[in-house]
Amino acid sequence: SQTIHQWPATLVQPVGSPLSLECTVEGTSNPNLYWYRQAAGRGLQLLFYSVGIGQISSEVPQNLSASRPQDRQFILSSKKLLLSDSGFYLCAWSVTRTGGSYGYTFGSGTRLTVV
Amino acid sequence: GQNIDQPTEMTATEGAIVQINCTYQTSGFNGLFWYQQHAGEAPTFLSYNVLDGLEEKGRFSSFLSRSKGYSYLLLKELQMKDSASYLCAFSGAGSYQLTFGKGTKLSVIP
Repeated sequence: SQTIHQWPATLVQPVGSPLSLECTVEGTSNPNLYWYRQAAGRGLQLLFYSVGIGQISSEVPQNLSASRPQDRQFILSSKKLLLSDSGFYLCAWSVTRTGGSYGYTFGSGTRLTVV
Repeated sequence: GQNIDQPTEMTATEGAIVQINCTYQTSGFNGLFWYQQHAGEAPTFLSYNVLDGLEEKGRFSSFLSRSKGYSYLLLKELQMKDSASYLCAFSGAGSYQLTFGKGTKLSVIP
C-alpha cells in the first residue's frame, strides 16, 4: 500500500534562518507531488507541484523553493524565513488518470512557527 | 476564473443530520472532492463525485450537480467525533491540481 512520510512534525525557527522540509512516498511510482500551506483561518494554498524528477511548477511567488531529486522525494526549502512563512505545511501525492488528478493523499503535516 | 465557496462555520446537534453546501465555478471540471480535517491534523479523503447524483458511504453522502456548479456533503447520525473542518475541492479538466475551498468548521454539540 502507498504511504507518505513528512517531517518534522513541528518546527520553530527564527526569522532569517533556512528551512528544509522533506516528504517521501512509498508504494507508488512517478506520483504527482504537491506542497500546500494552510495559514491560520485560511484555506489550503498550493505552493509547488511536480509531475516528475526535476520538474517543479511554482504557483505563488515567494521566498520558498522546491526540489525533487528522486522520484518519490519532494523537498521544500527557504534560504531566509519570514514571519509570514508561519503555517501548516502539507505534502500530498496523487496519481494522474486520463483527464486530470484523482485526488490527493496528504502527509501528516509540519507546523512551522517563525519567531 | 476558478472559484469555490462554502460556509465558514456550522453547528449541529449530536444524532442529527447536517448538510454542508459547496458552490464552484470553473471553465473545465473533472471531479468534486470532500475532505475531513480535524484540528491540527492533515485532511483525509471522504468522497469523490464526477457524475451528477448522490454517492453514499455509510453515514456520509455527497451530491453533485455539474450544471449548477453545486455539491453538498450530508452527514447523518452526527457524532461528537464529526466535529472538524470539511473541505470541498474540485479538479479541473486536464489539471493536476485540486482547488480547495476554505473549509466549513462543523461543531457537533450534545
